[in-house]
Amino acid sequence: DVKVTQSSRYLVKRTGEKVFLECVQDMDHENMFWYRQDPGLGLRLIYFSYDVKMKEKGDIPEGYSVSREKKERFSLILESASTNQTSMYLCASSYSAGSYGYTFGSGTRLTVV
Amino acid sequence: EDKVVQSPLSLVVHEGDTVTLNCSYEVTNFRSLLWYKQEKKAPTFLFMLTSSGIEKKSGRLSSILDKKELFSILNITATQTGDSAIYLCAVYGQNFVFGPGTRLSVLP
Repeated sequence: DVKVTQSSRYLVKRTGEKVFLECVQDMDHENMFWYRQDPGLGLRLIYFSYDVKMKEKGDIPEGYSVSREKKERFSLILESASTNQTSMYLCASSYSAGSYGYTFGSGTRLTVV
Repeated sequence: EDKVVQSPLSLVVHEGDTVTLNCSYEVTNFRSLLWYKQEKKAPTFLFMLTSSGIEKKSGRLSSILDKKELFSILNITATQTGDSAIYLCAVYGQNFVFGPGTRLSVLP
């Protein structure tokens, strides 16, 4: 089975801190995605990547950046954390976009205080 | 702009009831529609639908797509407390777009 691993389940950070959320997948998937999930808003795409060193903005990229130096790893970076970035962050990967959708990581619940 | 709408947003039923969850969409270059179940952790895949009128079935869950009317339904028969979850509909066009989800609560 494909496994998507997010490095932290829970994180608490202070306003202004730089935050790294790591995601690793073990099935040689081309595509990786970062979403945030908030009550009533569903899953919203932050950034995605279809190849190493390639990144594309999603619907809500402001305040975030990403890094994909290796195929298996896709990192989400909050340059200067703010309280409105308190959320559940989900990483996902897929072999080819659309084929049976995604496999999701278990999520990182980030609280910015 | 691509859009996915789910209804109802919240639903409370008793064990044994049958429920129907709705998903409608407006998507450029539609390729597939997917249903996910999300309990405490991340969403898990249920169905992928690409063709109109063909029912996908897995146990007590079934789903069908109407590409002409741009919607899909997810049916759950003989509900159990373990069916309590958020059910997410996602449509793949240019990218995946998720609906807000339907929170289903099944009471004993």
